Amino acid sequence: DIVMTQSPDSLAVSLGERATINCKSSQNVFFRSSNKNYLAWYQQKPGQPPKLLFHWASTREFGVPDRFRGSGSGTDFTLTISSLQAEDVAVYYCQQYYSTPVTFGQGTKLEIK
Amino acid sequence: EVQLVESGGNLVQPGGSLRLSCAASGFTFAAYSMSWVRQAPGKGLEWLSYISKSSNFIYYADSVRGRFTISRDNGKSSLYLQMNNLRDDDTAVYYCARDQAFDAPHQFDYWGQGTLVTVSS
Repeated sequence: DIVMTQSPDSLAVSLGERATINCKSSQNVFFRSSNKNYLAWYQQKPGQPPKLLFHWASTREFGVPDRFRGSGSGTDFTLTISSLQAEDVAVYYCQQYYSTPVTFGQGTKLEIK
Repeated sequence: EVQLVESGGNLVQPGGSLRLSCAASGFTFAAYSMSWVRQAPGKGLEWLSYISKSSNFIYYADSVRGRFTISRDNGKSSLYLQMNNLRDDDTAVYYCARDQAFDAPHQFDYWGQGTLVTVSS
């Protein structure tokens, strides 16, 4: 199974500042024939189900604010929030779908400093 | 509007069984693959099972293979998870999720609100 490791486990950032969450996969999740990274990002707010933010590592879902950015390739990926808003407080998960079983990172809890 | 509504969660004793349901609306259910994902209290997300739109492809996580069975009824726009031989560590909120892929689990673009399964004596 591919192990997904996120860092940090928790993060406190001031409003308006940049937040950066990292995700590392134990194996390459870039599929050469499709030229795509099989990596998704989710946001989960308290008491709610996860919400898909990005797929193919950097393709933003409809309605996701452009202050959110997904980047990276191969085994190293990053979710960046350029200017933190209060409504961004949540736990963020990365997920690989390069191979079955699909696996999630342990989550990164993002709070306001 | 896409809606997924899970039901069937309950308190059950170890070794018992439960059947979860997920009622879909707002999209053509028969055109999409579906998955079940769970989240233990205060923990992260664990994918459990996937079923393709015509039930041709079915996958399970090792943790539930042989105990859980996924199925669907496209005529009723419903997804099911039959859970047998439940263990304490199966305690979790169980989500159904719509999958973007057609032959294997990929990313999940819509999720239900979840149903709580508690396994305890």
